Amino acid sequence: AQRVTQPEKLLSVFKGAPVELKCNYSYSGSPELFWYVQYSRQRLQLLLRHISRESIKGFTADLNKGETSFHLKKPFAQEEDSAMYYCALSPNFNKFYFGSGTKLNVKP
Amino acid sequence: DAGITQSPRHKVTETGTPVTLRCHQTENHRYMYWYRQDPGHGLRLIHYSYGVKDTDKGEVSDGYSVSRSKTEDFLLTLESATSSQTSVYFCAIRGQGTEAFFGQGTRLTVV
Repeated sequence: AQRVTQPEKLLSVFKGAPVELKCNYSYSGSPELFWYVQYSRQRLQLLLRHISRESIKGFTADLNKGETSFHLKKPFAQEEDSAMYYCALSPNFNKFYFGSGTKLNVKP
Repeated sequence: DAGITQSPRHKVTETGTPVTLRCHQTENHRYMYWYRQDPGHGLRLIHYSYGVKDTDKGEVSDGYSVSRSKTEDFLLTLESATSSQTSVYFCAIRGQGTEAFFGQGTRLTVV
């Protein structure tokens, strides 16, 4: 069965510090992986997906198939990055499975 | 917003009453989903649909039913609401690519 694990419920960093939000997945095949962001009381928005290899708002994520990880990184955190971040896996593009989320708090 | 609207946005209901939440899309997407969002659990899939009258269960389907009689509408029904169904419910569609787009959510409180 597929599973997405985000081990950190809360991550607090100071403005300008590097950020890494961890995501590990379990799936026997080659899934599509995503990061979504949810600002306070808003809808979830797609941040990035591994297949496009984009950098959005300074965030990047690298798929490591050996470690089955898809960690989200940003070299210099900004206060406006404070939000909930969800890692998601789609095994066959028909369903999406989400992790439990990590709340990022960027302190001034 | 990928043309997704949810209604109502907020609802308070009593235990044991039926509740129906509506998800409406304007872009003719085939796949639609209902999730619930709870602290510590993230988003969990309740039911999904892959076409008119084609639906299937997700991870947490007990106590919920769905219907899709038109491409644009996907209804989620709580047959007899319980306090454990107090949650924020999100509808989503799968877009032209491979990603999901979400509605604004419905905050449901069962008292």
